[in-house]
Amino acid sequence: SQTIHQWPATLVQPVGSPLSLECTVEGTSNPNLYWYRQAAGRGLQLLFYSVGIGQISSEVPQNLSASRPQDRQFILSSKKLLLSDSGFYLCAWRGYGYTFGSGTRLTVV
Amino acid sequence: KQEVTQIPAALSVPEGENLVLNCSFTDSAIYNLQWFRQDPGKGLTSLLLIQSSQREQTSGRLNASLDKSSGRSTLYIAASQPGDSATYLCAVQTGANNLFFGTGTRLTVIP
Repeated sequence: SQTIHQWPATLVQPVGSPLSLECTVEGTSNPNLYWYRQAAGRGLQLLFYSVGIGQISSEVPQNLSASRPQDRQFILSSKKLLLSDSGFYLCAWRGYGYTFGSGTRLTVV
Repeated sequence: KQEVTQIPAALSVPEGENLVLNCSFTDSAIYNLQWFRQDPGKGLTSLLLIQSSQREQTSGRLNASLDKSSGRSTLYIAASQPGDSATYLCAVQTGANNLFFGTGTRLTVIP
């Protein structure tokens, strides 16, 4: 069966520090992968998606970037975090419908 | 651009009641519609997926319907339980990588 792993679960980072969130999928090959952000009191916003290794599409201009170094690995990064980057970050893959990871709560202080 | 609306934003019911959550979308050209559940501080759990050619799907006490032409979906929960308390999100897929979410209905089931 397919599973999706996301870590860390929570993260508190100072403004200006770098960020790296990792997502991996098991049990499938060449999945379409997604990063979403859920800000407090707001809906889910698609940040990036990837249809294959090295292929990244950005949906919203921002302080973040994404990379897909391996088939089942998707990484969300930032060189310098802003306060506005705080939120709940969710990774997902699309098979029969979308399956989401457990999320990372990022607080930038 | 697809817009997805969920009404009500919050709902509180006594245990044992049947309830209906509503979802509407502006563009009927969808691939499918998916209902999710989100517990506080947690990720999204998929409940039901309805393909655009289908009218309804059922899983246990949950039944989701889809009327694509009118841009509406409902999630029916039978015999609600306190464990059903969560935020329910509907999302419509309009393209290979386009999934549009509603802002959710926060459900509280009172014991």
